[in-house]
Amino acid sequence: AQSVTQLDSQVPVFEEAPVELRCNYSSSVSVYLFWYVQYPNQGLQLLLKYLSGSTLVKGINGFEAEFNKSQTSFHLRKPSVHISDTAEYFCAVNNQGGKLIFGQGTELSVKP
Amino acid sequence: GAVVSQHPSRVICKSGTSVKIECRSLDFQATTMFWYRQFPKKSLMLMATSNEGSKATYEQGVEKDKFLINHASLTLSTLTVTSAHPEDSSFYICSVAGLAGVYEQFFGPGTRLTVL
Repeated sequence: AQSVTQLDSQVPVFEEAPVELRCNYSSSVSVYLFWYVQYPNQGLQLLLKYLSGSTLVKGINGFEAEFNKSQTSFHLRKPSVHISDTAEYFCAVNNQGGKLIFGQGTELSVKP
Repeated sequence: GAVVSQHPSRVICKSGTSVKIECRSLDFQATTMFWYRQFPKKSLMLMATSNEGSKATYEQGVEKDKFLINHASLTLSTLTVTSAHPEDSSFYICSVAGLAGVYEQFFGPGTRLTVL
């Protein structure tokens, strides 16, 4: 069975600091990987996705993620965060069977 | 990406009543939609996969008679919570499978259900 683990439930950082949100997955088959952001009382917005090709994926709002097959990881990074990046972030994997499996979520809190 | 809407955004109802939530794909025809439930400070839990013109496929532990799903057209899927109880209070989110295949999903804004 596939699973997704987000290692940090909460990540507090100061504005303009770099941040990394960690995500590890387990799967015996090829997967597609996603990061979504959720602002309070809203749905999910796609930040970026890895389907194939280059392992470094760039997304919206200055975020990027690197697919590491040997480490089974897909960590999300941003070199300098803003107050407006405060939100819940979800890593997800699709096993090509159509279903998205979500991690537990990481609450990013950016402080001035 | 696809634009997905949900209606209503918030609903408060009395225990024992039924509530219908609509999910619409505004800019393309969606053969597959998904319904999720999210508890506070928790991740999304897939409830069911909704396929246009056929019966929904429910995840293990989800009562199909409690959560009725209808996907009668390529742009609309509905979730009806029947005989709602306070424990059904939650944030319900739908998503639409992207054109490139079901591996990408686009999410609606969610519906906050509160059962008194």
